Amino acid sequence: DIQMTQSPSSVSAFVGDRVTITCRASRSISNWLAWYQQKPGKAPKLLIYATSTLQSGVPSRFSGGGSDTDFTLTISSLQPEDFATYFCQQAHTLPWTFGQGTKVEVK
Amino acid sequence: QVQLQQWGAGLLKPSETLSLTCAVYGGSFSDYYWSWVRQTPGQGLEWIGEVNHSGTTTYNPSLQSRVIISEDTSTNQFSLKLMSVTAADTALYFCAGATTGGNWFDPWGQGTLVTVSS
Repeated sequence: DIQMTQSPSSVSAFVGDRVTITCRASRSISNWLAWYQQKPGKAPKLLIYATSTLQSGVPSRFSGGGSDTDFTLTISSLQPEDFATYFCQQAHTLPWTFGQGTKVEVK
Repeated sequence: QVQLQQWGAGLLKPSETLSLTCAVYGGSFSDYYWSWVRQTPGQGLEWIGEVNHSGTTTYNPSLQSRVIISEDTSTNQFSLKLMSVTAADTALYFCAGATTGGNWFDPWGQGTLVTVSS
C-alpha cells in the first residue's frame, strides 16, 4: 500500500494567518492527490483534487500544489470556518489511502 | 446534486455481521464508483472497497476476506457486509462516491457509528 504521511499533525493559528500542510507519499503518485476538510461529527468534504483543482464552491483561499511524492495544501488567510481537520488521499494505486490528518486549531 | 443517505445497525456483538446500506439520490447511479470508508481515532480513514457501475468489486486486501459490497441498480442503493466483526471494527462508517476516472470521494453519506461490544 502507498503510505501517506501528513505534517504537522496539528497547527495552531490565528484568523488571517497563512497555513500550509504537507503530505508525503511513500512512492510517486504523479498528481493523483486529493485534500478533504472534516469538521466534528461530519463527513469529509472534498476541497481539492488532482493536486491543485478546486472542487466547485471551495473558496479560492485554498490552494494545492506539488507532484510525485510531495504535496501541500495552503490556506492563504485562515477564516473562522476553516478550523477543522484536513486529510490527504492518494488516488493513484489501489487500495486508496489517506493521511492521518492535520488538525487546524485556534491559537 | 447527488446525495447519499445511509443506514444500518449501530451495535453489534463480536462475530456478528455488520450490514449497512446507502441510497443514492439525484444524478446518475452509473456515473460513479461506490465506496465504503471507515474512520477510527487510531487508524484514521480506511478505504474498505468499492463497486462500479457494472457490479465489479474491489476490496482493500486488509479486509478482503470478510467484506462484500453489492449494488442494486433498480433502487439506486449499495450495501456493505463485514463478517465476523471484532472490537477492532468499531468505527464511523461512511459511504461515498467517486466519479469514473477520478478516484476521489464526493459525495459522502452522513456516517454511521458502529460499535462492536459484547
